[in-house]
Amino acid sequence: DTGVSQNPRHKITKRGQNVTFRCDPISEHNRLYWYRQTLGQGPEFLTYFQNEAQLEKSRLLSDRFSAERPKGSFSTLEIQRTEQGDSAMYLCASSLGRTSGRETQYFGPGTRLLVL
Amino acid sequence: AQRVTQPEKLLSVFKGAPVELKCNYSYSGSPELFWYVQYSRQRLQLLLRHISRESIKGFTADLNKGETSFHLKKPFAQEEDSAMYYCALLSNSGGSNYKLTFGKGTLLTVNP
Repeated sequence: DTGVSQNPRHKITKRGQNVTFRCDPISEHNRLYWYRQTLGQGPEFLTYFQNEAQLEKSRLLSDRFSAERPKGSFSTLEIQRTEQGDSAMYLCASSLGRTSGRETQYFGPGTRLLVL
Repeated sequence: AQRVTQPEKLLSVFKGAPVELKCNYSYSGSPELFWYVQYSRQRLQLLLRHISRESIKGFTADLNKGETSFHLKKPFAQEEDSAMYYCALLSNSGGSNYKLTFGKGTLLTVNP
Protein backbone atom coordinates (compact mmCIF):
# COMPACT_ATOMS: atom_id res chain seq x y z
CA ASP A 1 0.00 0.00 0.00
CA THR A 2 1.61 3.23 -1.11
CA GLY A 3 -0.92 5.53 0.54
CA VAL A 4 -0.58 7.54 3.72
CA SER A 5 -0.17 5.27 6.71
CA GLN A 6 -0.76 5.99 10.38
CA ASN A 7 0.17 4.11 13.51
CA PRO A 8 -1.28 3.05 15.77
CA ARG A 9 -4.79 2.76 14.38
CA HIS A 10 -6.31 2.78 17.86
CA LYS A 11 -5.03 4.02 21.19
CA ILE A 12 -6.67 3.84 24.59
CA THR A 13 -4.97 5.72 27.38
CA LYS A 14 -5.67 7.03 30.83
CA ARG A 15 -6.07 10.71 31.51
CA GLY A 16 -2.74 12.34 32.21
CA GLN A 17 -0.67 9.96 30.11
CA ASN A 18 1.34 11.00 27.06
CA VAL A 19 0.65 9.53 23.64
CA THR A 20 2.48 9.73 20.34
CA PHE A 21 1.12 9.05 16.87
CA ARG A 22 3.07 8.50 13.71
CA CYS A 23 2.23 9.39 10.11
CA ASP A 24 4.10 8.19 7.04
CA PRO A 25 3.15 10.29 4.02
CA ILE A 26 3.21 9.23 0.42
CA SER A 27 6.83 9.29 -0.66
CA GLU A 28 7.90 12.49 -2.42
CA HIS A 29 5.02 14.44 -0.89
CA ASN A 30 6.55 17.50 0.69
CA ARG A 31 3.45 18.76 2.51
CA LEU A 32 2.02 17.00 5.52
CA TYR A 33 -1.06 17.94 7.52
CA TRP A 34 -2.64 16.88 10.79
CA TYR A 35 -6.38 17.14 11.35
CA ARG A 36 -8.62 16.14 14.23
CA GLN A 37 -12.14 14.83 13.86
CA THR A 38 -14.63 14.50 16.67
CA LEU A 39 -18.00 12.78 16.52
CA GLY A 40 -20.45 14.53 14.22
CA GLN A 41 -17.90 17.00 12.94
CA GLY A 42 -15.78 17.30 9.85
CA PRO A 43 -12.00 17.17 10.14
CA GLU A 44 -10.45 20.27 11.73
CA PHE A 45 -7.00 21.51 10.79
CA LEU A 46 -4.31 21.24 13.46
CA THR A 47 -0.97 21.89 11.82
CA TYR A 48 0.93 21.73 8.55
CA PHE A 49 4.49 21.02 7.42
CA GLN A 50 6.30 22.01 4.27
CA ASN A 51 9.18 19.52 4.26
CA GLU A 52 10.55 19.70 7.82
CA ALA A 53 9.26 23.20 8.56
CA GLN A 54 6.08 23.55 10.60
CA LEU A 55 4.42 26.53 8.94
CA GLU A 56 1.04 26.81 10.59
CA LYS A 57 -0.52 25.80 13.88
CA SER A 58 -4.20 26.04 14.69
CA ARG A 59 -5.46 27.55 17.92
CA LEU A 60 -6.84 24.06 18.55
CA LEU A 61 -3.25 22.94 19.10
CA SER A 62 -2.70 23.72 22.76
CA ASP A 63 0.76 23.70 24.32
CA ARG A 64 0.18 20.06 25.27
CA PHE A 65 0.38 19.17 21.59
CA SER A 66 3.59 19.03 19.64
CA ALA A 67 4.28 17.84 16.12
CA GLU A 68 7.53 17.16 14.38
CA ARG A 69 8.64 16.13 10.95
CA PRO A 70 12.35 15.41 11.13
CA LYS A 71 14.10 15.23 7.79
CA GLY A 72 10.85 16.04 6.05
CA SER A 73 9.67 12.45 5.94
CA PHE A 74 7.42 10.89 8.59
CA SER A 75 5.75 13.00 11.23
CA THR A 76 4.84 12.47 14.87
CA LEU A 77 2.10 14.11 16.88
CA GLU A 78 2.53 13.96 20.65
CA ILE A 79 -0.11 14.83 23.20
CA GLN A 80 1.13 15.35 26.73
CA ARG A 81 -1.03 14.99 29.84
CA THR A 82 -4.00 13.77 27.85
CA GLU A 83 -7.48 14.92 28.76
CA GLN A 84 -10.82 13.31 28.00
CA GLY A 85 -11.51 16.10 25.53
CA ASP A 86 -8.59 14.90 23.43
CA SER A 87 -10.57 11.80 22.48
CA ALA A 88 -10.96 12.00 18.71
CA MET A 89 -9.81 10.62 15.39
CA TYR A 90 -6.46 12.11 14.40
CA LEU A 91 -6.01 12.25 10.64
CA CYS A 92 -2.86 12.78 8.68
CA ALA A 93 -2.78 13.89 5.06
CA SER A 94 -0.05 14.60 2.56
CA SER A 95 0.18 16.38 -0.75
CA LEU A 96 2.74 16.76 -3.47
CA GLY A 97 3.04 20.52 -3.16
CA ARG A 98 1.91 21.69 -6.58
CA THR A 99 0.34 25.00 -7.43
CA SER A 100 -2.91 25.47 -5.60
CA GLY A 101 -5.83 24.17 -7.63
CA ARG A 102 -4.17 20.93 -8.56
CA GLU A 103 -3.34 20.22 -4.95
CA THR A 104 -4.88 17.02 -3.65
CA GLN A 105 -4.56 16.06 -0.02
CA TYR A 106 -4.46 12.30 0.47
CA PHE A 107 -5.64 11.12 3.84
CA GLY A 108 -4.50 8.29 6.03
CA PRO A 109 -6.85 5.92 7.86
CA GLY A 110 -6.52 7.87 11.09
CA THR A 111 -5.63 7.06 14.68
CA ARG A 112 -8.58 6.83 17.02
CA LEU A 113 -7.71 8.03 20.52
CA LEU A 114 -9.82 7.29 23.56
CA VAL A 115 -8.84 8.93 26.82
CA LEU A 116 -10.40 7.29 29.87
CA ALA B 1 -12.45 33.44 8.76
CA GLN B 2 -13.54 30.76 6.35
CA ARG B 3 -16.55 28.60 6.99
CA VAL B 4 -18.25 25.70 5.22
CA THR B 5 -21.85 24.85 5.93
CA GLN B 6 -23.60 21.62 5.02
CA PRO B 7 -27.15 22.11 6.21
CA GLU B 8 -28.23 18.47 5.99
CA LYS B 9 -26.73 15.91 8.37
CA LEU B 10 -28.72 13.11 6.80
CA LEU B 11 -30.12 12.63 3.30
CA SER B 12 -32.04 9.59 2.19
CA VAL B 13 -33.12 8.89 -1.38
CA PHE B 14 -34.24 5.93 -3.42
CA LYS B 15 -32.09 4.31 -6.06
CA GLY B 16 -32.49 6.08 -9.39
CA ALA B 17 -33.67 9.33 -7.84
CA PRO B 18 -31.75 12.58 -8.25
CA VAL B 19 -29.64 13.67 -5.32
CA GLU B 20 -28.30 17.06 -4.31
CA LEU B 21 -26.02 17.61 -1.33
CA LYS B 22 -25.85 21.25 -0.34
CA CYS B 23 -22.74 23.19 0.55
CA ASN B 24 -22.37 26.90 1.26
CA TYR B 25 -19.16 28.66 2.09
CA SER B 26 -17.87 31.90 3.49
CA TYR B 27 -14.42 33.08 2.44
CA SER B 28 -12.97 36.49 1.70
CA GLY B 29 -10.51 35.27 -0.92
CA SER B 30 -10.88 33.34 -4.13
CA PRO B 31 -12.27 29.96 -3.07
CA GLU B 32 -11.10 26.55 -4.11
CA LEU B 33 -13.69 23.96 -3.23
CA PHE B 34 -13.69 20.21 -3.00
CA TRP B 35 -15.99 17.33 -2.22
CA TYR B 36 -14.50 14.48 -0.21
CA VAL B 37 -16.26 11.17 0.36
CA GLN B 38 -15.85 8.53 3.02
CA TYR B 39 -17.33 5.11 2.32
CA SER B 40 -17.98 2.74 5.20
CA ARG B 41 -14.72 1.60 6.82
CA GLN B 42 -12.61 3.47 4.28
CA ARG B 43 -10.47 6.55 4.49
CA LEU B 44 -11.46 10.00 3.37
CA GLN B 45 -10.87 10.43 -0.35
CA LEU B 46 -11.25 13.21 -2.86
CA LEU B 47 -14.35 12.97 -5.03
CA LEU B 48 -14.02 16.11 -7.12
CA ARG B 49 -12.78 19.68 -7.10
CA HIS B 50 -14.37 22.71 -8.71
CA ILE B 51 -11.32 23.75 -10.68
CA SER B 52 -11.29 20.54 -12.67
CA ARG B 53 -14.93 20.86 -13.73
CA GLU B 54 -15.09 17.10 -13.98
CA SER B 55 -17.75 14.50 -13.41
CA ILE B 56 -16.70 11.67 -11.13
CA LYS B 57 -18.93 8.62 -10.64
CA GLY B 58 -21.74 10.65 -12.18
CA PHE B 59 -21.39 13.46 -9.66
CA THR B 60 -20.93 17.10 -10.63
CA ALA B 61 -20.62 20.28 -8.63
CA ASP B 62 -20.73 23.85 -9.84
CA LEU B 63 -19.25 26.76 -7.97
CA ASN B 64 -21.74 29.61 -7.70
CA LYS B 65 -19.88 32.61 -6.36
CA GLY B 66 -23.01 34.75 -6.26
CA GLU B 67 -24.75 32.33 -3.94
CA THR B 68 -21.47 31.15 -2.36
CA SER B 69 -22.52 27.57 -2.97
CA PHE B 70 -20.93 24.39 -4.25
CA HIS B 71 -23.73 21.84 -4.29
CA LEU B 72 -23.02 18.24 -5.29
CA LYS B 73 -25.46 16.65 -7.71
CA LYS B 74 -26.13 13.32 -9.33
CA PRO B 75 -29.10 12.68 -11.59
CA PHE B 76 -29.58 9.01 -10.71
CA ALA B 77 -28.36 7.81 -7.33
CA GLN B 78 -26.95 4.32 -6.91
CA GLU B 79 -26.80 2.21 -3.75
CA GLU B 80 -23.00 2.34 -3.83
CA ASP B 81 -23.19 6.12 -3.46
CA SER B 82 -24.20 5.64 0.18
CA ALA B 83 -21.45 7.33 2.16
CA MET B 84 -20.51 10.41 4.18
CA TYR B 85 -19.83 13.43 2.01
CA TYR B 86 -17.77 16.42 3.11
CA CYS B 87 -17.52 19.74 1.39
CA ALA B 88 -14.16 21.45 1.92
CA LEU B 89 -12.60 24.81 1.18
CA LEU B 90 -8.91 25.28 0.57
CA SER B 91 -7.53 28.46 2.07
CA ASN B 92 -4.29 29.79 0.73
CA SER B 93 -3.14 32.70 2.79
CA GLY B 94 -0.29 34.26 0.90
CA GLY B 95 0.78 30.95 -0.55
CA SER B 96 2.09 29.59 2.72
CA ASN B 97 -0.81 27.56 4.00
CA TYR B 98 -2.99 25.05 2.26
CA LYS B 99 -5.32 23.95 5.00
CA LEU B 100 -8.72 22.52 4.25
CA THR B 101 -11.78 23.73 6.12
CA PHE B 102 -14.46 21.04 6.16
CA GLY B 103 -18.17 21.12 6.65
CA LYS B 104 -19.76 18.78 9.17
CA GLY B 105 -20.69 16.31 6.49
CA THR B 106 -23.87 14.81 5.05
CA LEU B 107 -24.60 11.11 5.38
CA LEU B 108 -26.22 9.96 2.16
CA THR B 109 -28.23 6.78 2.17
CA VAL B 110 -29.49 5.39 -1.10
CA ASN B 111 -32.27 2.91 -0.54
CA PRO B 112 -33.03 0.03 -2.95
